[in-house]
This record gives sequence, C-alpha cells and structure tokens, in this order.
Amino acid sequence: EVQLVESGGGLIQPGGSLKLSCAASGFTFGDYSMNWVRQAPGKGLEWISYINSGSATVHYADSVKGRFTISRDNAKNSLYLQMNSLREEDTAVYYCAREYYFDGPADYWGQGTLVTVSS
Amino acid sequence: IQMTQSPASLSASIGDRVTITCRASQDIRNDLGWYQQKPGKAPKLLIYASSRLQSAVPSRFSGSGSGTDFTLTISGLQPEDFATYYCLQDYSYPRTFGQGTKVEVK
Repeated sequence: EVQLVESGGGLIQPGGSLKLSCAASGFTFGDYSMNWVRQAPGKGLEWISYINSGSATVHYADSVKGRFTISRDNAKNSLYLQMNSLREEDTAVYYCAREYYFDGPADYWGQGTLVTVSS
Repeated sequence: IQMTQSPASLSASIGDRVTITCRASQDIRNDLGWYQQKPGKAPKLLIYASSRLQSAVPSRFSGSGSGTDFTLTISGLQPEDFATYYCLQDYSYPRTFGQGTKVEVK
C-alpha cells in the first residue's frame, strides 16, 4: 500500500525556518517524481514545488522561489521541504504528493502537516 | 497558465447530473486532471489526461475536453459526492489548480 507521511509542521514566527519531511513507503520511491502542494485555511490548493526522481530537475512556484528548497534522499525514501524566511501567508497544510506518471498529475497524497506562521 | 473553474459552488440533489467546467488561459492539450477533496482530507485523483478514469473511481464520474475547455460530469450524484472539486493543469510548470467548486446538498 502506498503511504506518504508528512512531518515537521508547527508554529513558527515570521522570518523563521522550518523543514518538512515526507516518508514514503509501499512503492519504489526512487522511481517517482514528487511534489509539495499547500492549502491555506479555508482556501484552495496551491502547487509549490516539484523534484524529479534523480533530483536533477526542480521547479518552484513564484510565491516560494528563493525561500523554499525541495530535496530528496532516495536511500531513505524521504522527501523534504526546507522553508526559510517564512511569512504569515505561508500558513497552510502542506501535502507531499507522488507524480502519477512522467509530467502527469499527482496520484497519491499524504495526510498533510500544518504550518502556522504567526507572532 | 491560469485555470478558471466554474461555478464556485452549486447545490444539487441526489441523482442529479452535475457539470463543472475549467478553462485554461492557453492550449494545454489534454493535460488536465480532476480531484475531489472532502473536509480535512487530502485530495483524491478522479480523472487524468482529461478523460481517463483513475482506478477504483466510480464510472459516474467522467471528464472531457481538450485545448482550453474541460468538463467534469457526475452522472447521478451520490451522498458521498458532496465535496469540493479542483482541476489541475499538468501541461507545464508551475502547475496550477482551478479555484475549486463546492458541491452542496440542495
């Protein structure tokens, strides 16, 4: 069974840093590209970052470019999101999601981890 | 690429046929997916490549369209279908979602 489990969320002050993790199981993690998607409270979905299977290609939304860094460790079946210079508007549930096929949509999603940026 | 989804919400009854549309700001071929999200849960992929039904998704869900105009249809709304639906273009990065359509009980 495919499972994605996010962790690392919490309450952080504006300007602070946080690193999210996503532990994958039930599939060959190193064969799949991965994404981070977030959802602010009561709002819609926002895609924020992508990394391909070998970490050679990454993409970011303009809203996080230069502040967030996506990475992965295929030996540990883990995906990461380093978030720096956090702003109140970064408050959201953060989901990791597996890409279904090359350049395709995300099929499996984690349950999400809440990041609250507030003083 | 901007994705314009409509309506923002709709009220429907059990058994109704429901249609949700998504319009892309440029040609995205058939690179469009549809998701269902229930409160407090992660999104669930229903349709990919515009019209392909994801495994284990009931056949009352169908998708159509190509280029810039896309449609999600629920034929015979069931109680478990009351949720919010999002389209997603996977033609290029940055990926973009529609604003969502909340399907509520009439």
